Amino acid sequence: EPEVTQTPSHQVTQMGQEVILRCVPISNHLYFYWYRQILGQKVEFLVSFYNNEISEKSEIFDDQFSVERPDGSNFTLKIRSTKLEDSAMYFCASRGKISEQYFGPGTRLTVT
Amino acid sequence: KQEVTQIPAALSVPEGENLVLNCSFTDSAIYNLQWFRQDPGKGLTSLLLIQSSQREQTSGRLNASLDKSSGRSTLYIAASQPGDSATYLCAVGGFQKLVFGTGTRLLVSP
Repeated sequence: EPEVTQTPSHQVTQMGQEVILRCVPISNHLYFYWYRQILGQKVEFLVSFYNNEISEKSEIFDDQFSVERPDGSNFTLKIRSTKLEDSAMYFCASRGKISEQYFGPGTRLTVT
Repeated sequence: KQEVTQIPAALSVPEGENLVLNCSFTDSAIYNLQWFRQDPGKGLTSLLLIQSSQREQTSGRLNASLDKSSGRSTLYIAASQPGDSATYLCAVGGFQKLVFGTGTRLLVSP
C-alpha cells in the first residue's frame, strides 16, 4: 500500500541553524501539507501546497519557513534559523482527488 | 475560527467493551471529518473519513457518525481490544487544512 515517507526520523540541531525536513508524498497525490505537533499539544496546520505554490498557510508559517517541491517526488520544509520553540514533531501529509489526507511517520526536531 | 473539542480526554476500559468517543466543532461549514489513531511517538493513521454529505462511515469494528448541524461526530468502537489502546484524534476538514482536536487517550486492559 502506498505511503508517505519522511526523513530523517529525528533531527537534532542548534538554535539558529537551518534545517530541511524531507517528505516523499504518495506518488499520484496532488495536494501536500505540513503539520506540527509540539509535545503534549494539538496537531497544528502549517501550510498547504498545490500546483507548485502555497495555497494556504497558518500564522505559525512565518518568513523563517519555506516549502519546496524540488522534483517530481520530494516535498521539503525548510526552517532558516531554528528557535527552541520550533522543537516539535513535524508531519507531512498528502492527498489525491479524494479529500482523505495521508500522513507520514513524522520527523522529530529537537532544537538545543 | 474552527475549534475542535474531544471528550473524554482519557478513557480506560476492560477488553470487550463497546465505547464511544466524542468530537465537537464550532463551525458547521466543513468539507469532511477524519478520525485518526496515534500511537505514542508515532505518526497518524487515518481510520475513517466522512464527507460533509454523509452521516456515517464504517470500517470493521469502527463506526463514525457526523451531525453537521449540531457540530458533532462520534467514533464507536465495538468489542474493544488491548491493541486498540492509542490516542484517537478527530480532525475537521476545511477546503485546505485539517483542524485537530486534542484527542482521547484510550487504554484497553486485558
